[in-house]
Amino acid sequence: GENVEQHPSTLSVQEGDSAVIKCTYSDSASNYFPWYKQELGKRPQLIIDIRSNVGEKKDQRIAVTLNKTAKHFSLHITETQPEDSAVYFCAASIGGNKLVFGAGTILRVKS
Amino acid sequence: GAVVSQHPSWVICKSGTSVKIECRSLDFQATTMFWYRQFPKQSLMLMATSNEGSKATYEQGVEKDKFLINHASLTLSTLTVTSAHPEDSSFYICSADTGGYEQYFGPGTRLTVT
Repeated sequence: GENVEQHPSTLSVQEGDSAVIKCTYSDSASNYFPWYKQELGKRPQLIIDIRSNVGEKKDQRIAVTLNKTAKHFSLHITETQPEDSAVYFCAASIGGNKLVFGAGTILRVKS
Repeated sequence: GAVVSQHPSWVICKSGTSVKIECRSLDFQATTMFWYRQFPKQSLMLMATSNEGSKATYEQGVEKDKFLINHASLTLSTLTVTSAHPEDSSFYICSADTGGYEQYFGPGTRLTVT
């Protein structure tokens, strides 16, 4: 079955710096890759997603890149702010519109 | 748009009792609903997928007789944890889609079994 690996597990950056989180997946049939932000005790919120026919997508300070050949995709957050501190999860689609999630990355933005 | 609610938001029950959690799509009809379980500081683990009017599909290792799922309408799915034990204590989150890949998550239900 699909396996999604996410790195790093924790990431500390200074306010204003960039943060990069990387994921790899195993199923070449996966074609949808969302990123979720989850604050403690809250629901996961979709922050950006990318489909397999696109290599890069950007939304203000957030961007996602996808390399289908290498089966990896990355989340880039620029000009980080304290409110970006949260747990971030990547996911990859499998059959039946299901998602498999990575283990998560705890992002801490120090002011 | 695309709001999903869950009820209750938290529940404490005694070991051996059953607990029902509701998941509703408030402003759209959900083609499929998904139930996840999340332990502290861990990822979301898919438990089962349900479609209105049909039996739920459970992931490997999830006991279907313990976690009963009923998808009664296009806007309501329920998860019943039967004969709950302390190891069932967890954060249960549902999500719904509208036929595409994007899933809209509910706020979650924190279950504590004493």
